[in-house]
Amino acid sequence: QQQVKQSPQSLIVQKGGISIINCAYENTAFDYFPWYQQFPGKGPALLIAIRPDVSEKKEGRFTISFNKSAKQFSLHIMDSQPGDSATYFCAASKEGAQKLVFGQGTRLTINP
Amino acid sequence: GAVVSQHPSWVICKSGTSVKIECRSLDFQATTMFWYRQFPKQSLMLMATSNEGSKATYEQGVEKDKFLINHASLTLSTLTVTSAHPEDSSFYICSASPGRQFTEAFFGQGTRLTVV
Repeated sequence: QQQVKQSPQSLIVQKGGISIINCAYENTAFDYFPWYQQFPGKGPALLIAIRPDVSEKKEGRFTISFNKSAKQFSLHIMDSQPGDSATYFCAASKEGAQKLVFGQGTRLTINP
Repeated sequence: GAVVSQHPSWVICKSGTSVKIECRSLDFQATTMFWYRQFPKQSLMLMATSNEGSKATYEQGVEKDKFLINHASLTLSTLTVTSAHPEDSSFYICSASPGRQFTEAFFGQGTRLTVV
């Protein structure tokens, strides 16, 4: 019930391409879905987040798509750049709980 | 955005000794902070919830006597790894949120602990 499943485990994309990472959750009580970017040796940094009352949110080159009925959400990185190479984590939480459940992570490599 | 600072960034200690890691919210007050552990190439695993002025809440499987948490003020939580062993070597990360309702969690830069 508390799991968030993330795929793929690793992803290689050419510069300029679209990177897509998917997550699925089980607990229907989750109502906050952030994505974090982590570089080696650093703490995670919030990239973008969505709540279930919208199906899509876009910030610059980053877009979250959310499918409430399927209990899935995904991160799209448009025009991927070598600087986007990092590990990405999806997460979920319940409003007011302040406790994040993380996906397994996706190691993204953007080839120049 | 809000800033969460951890200290030290890395520490090496001898087996059997104790190590204290500090987590500070620099520009906001946090009644609740969280401590995570991350092994290489793995996800973040929540260890405990640190509550200001009260006892920490530990996740299942985390030894509370080994990982001592003290949330002494609204801007400081500490994690002490007692009698450290090589298997405790890991990346420890704290997080905090400035809001009562969960809006965004800010993470510290992490502390790399190596026990030799």
